[in-house]
Amino acid sequence: QSVLTQPPSVSGAPGQRVTISCTGSSSNIGAAYDVHWYQQVPGTAPKLLIYSNTNRPSGVPDRFSGSKSGTSASLAISGLQAEDEADYYCQSYDSSLSVVFGGGTKLTVL
Amino acid sequence: EVLLVESGGGFVQPGRSLRLSCTAYGFTFGENSMSWFRQAPGKGLEWVGFIRGEPYGGATQYAASGKGRFIISRDDSKSTAYLQMNSLKTEDTAVYYCTKMGGSYGDYWGQGTLVTVSS
Repeated sequence: QSVLTQPPSVSGAPGQRVTISCTGSSSNIGAAYDVHWYQQVPGTAPKLLIYSNTNRPSGVPDRFSGSKSGTSASLAISGLQAEDEADYYCQSYDSSLSVVFGGGTKLTVL
Repeated sequence: EVLLVESGGGFVQPGRSLRLSCTAYGFTFGENSMSWFRQAPGKGLEWVGFIRGEPYGGATQYAASGKGRFIISRDDSKSTAYLQMNSLKTEDTAVYYCTKMGGSYGDYWGQGTLVTVSS
């Protein structure tokens, strides 16, 4: 059971926009801790996609965007491409002094 | 270019110990916090623990799953972080990743090393 809640799967056709939600509580996201997002292509290491709620590391396309409000955060991917098919994880920090993750969301590009 | 290379994974029996290493390249290792994460087969990501950089005295913090069994250390002269895992359990079977921490997130990840705990 993950501390942060994500939908197990989402899908979309090429060119479409999809969003992935990440719901926490008052002890993590709601406590003003930042949310970060990772992309993991199966069989490879995770890659940082969004940090501190809305920021993209160098090299990440601006098709990827993050937002945060209250006890939740969202990752949006616009202009879906086949290469975006991967698992996506949200991560934050908890007042129990622990780094916490969502269970991951599998994105399928139809 | 930042590069993290893990080593030390393998097959180990329950109750035994294993030490993983993570050697870093391309950044000033001593100034940065390093973290270990793991991913059990077919499962999601899980934080194991982290060690702060020299400016913060090398303090450590651990997830509940490894507290009392896992120890994270670092040798800044070798640009290497370590994860000492004792009293291993079958549920510790996972790919273990080390990361450079950029704040509270892993901004660079190693390729991972597989640890299999089985009798």
